Amino acid sequence: DAGVTQSPTHLIKTRGQQVTLRCSPKSGHDTVSWYQQALGQGPQFIFQYYEEEERQRGNFPDRFSGHQFPNYSSELNVNALLLGDSALYLCASSLYGGEQFFGPGTRLTVL
Amino acid sequence: GQSLEQPSEVTAVEGAIVQINCTYQTSGFYGLSWYQQHDGGAPTFLSYNALDGLEETGRFSSFLSRSDSYGYLLLQELQMKDSASYFCAVRDHTGEAAGNKLTFGGGTRVLVKP
Repeated sequence: DAGVTQSPTHLIKTRGQQVTLRCSPKSGHDTVSWYQQALGQGPQFIFQYYEEEERQRGNFPDRFSGHQFPNYSSELNVNALLLGDSALYLCASSLYGGEQFFGPGTRLTVL
Repeated sequence: GQSLEQPSEVTAVEGAIVQINCTYQTSGFYGLSWYQQHDGGAPTFLSYNALDGLEETGRFSSFLSRSDSYGYLLLQELQMKDSASYFCAVRDHTGEAAGNKLTFGGGTRVLVKP
């Protein structure tokens, strides 16, 4: 049984570009949450998707957007990249309201 | 707003016991989770407390006091592989959503020495 998977593993972009990160949840899970983790800090909640709708959102600008597909997989899009967007982006899946299980993350570097 | 406080670093020797404290201020509190994260890795779920008291899972135990907004993670019989960062995280909700989100502390880096 595959756990949470994310792609790509690493990504390098320049300021102003746009990026799309992908996440496939653990089998049987219907909810996907996205977190941003800067170096040396705890993960920060970006948003959560359930039934293809954004259900909760953290304190992130509209440059951060997402989508959930009928198969429960999800994408995180970031527009107009800033240097400060460099971080590890973590996807976590769960049953709605249940414990979250994290994927390996995507390391984004913005130059 | 939400905030969690935990020590930044703890050093101990193999076989020792380490306690990582976590105090929190939050609304819509469901419970307190603990995660382990090795360098370069993903957070791995360790334990969850929704009610007051102690939960034991092998060498790791977690405690919660809702009235004190306080919890701790106890690591016993420390091993070298326990060197990692440990995060407390409040499971909470906002608005009418019955889902959950995690608000993390800054993490405690545990260094186990021979």
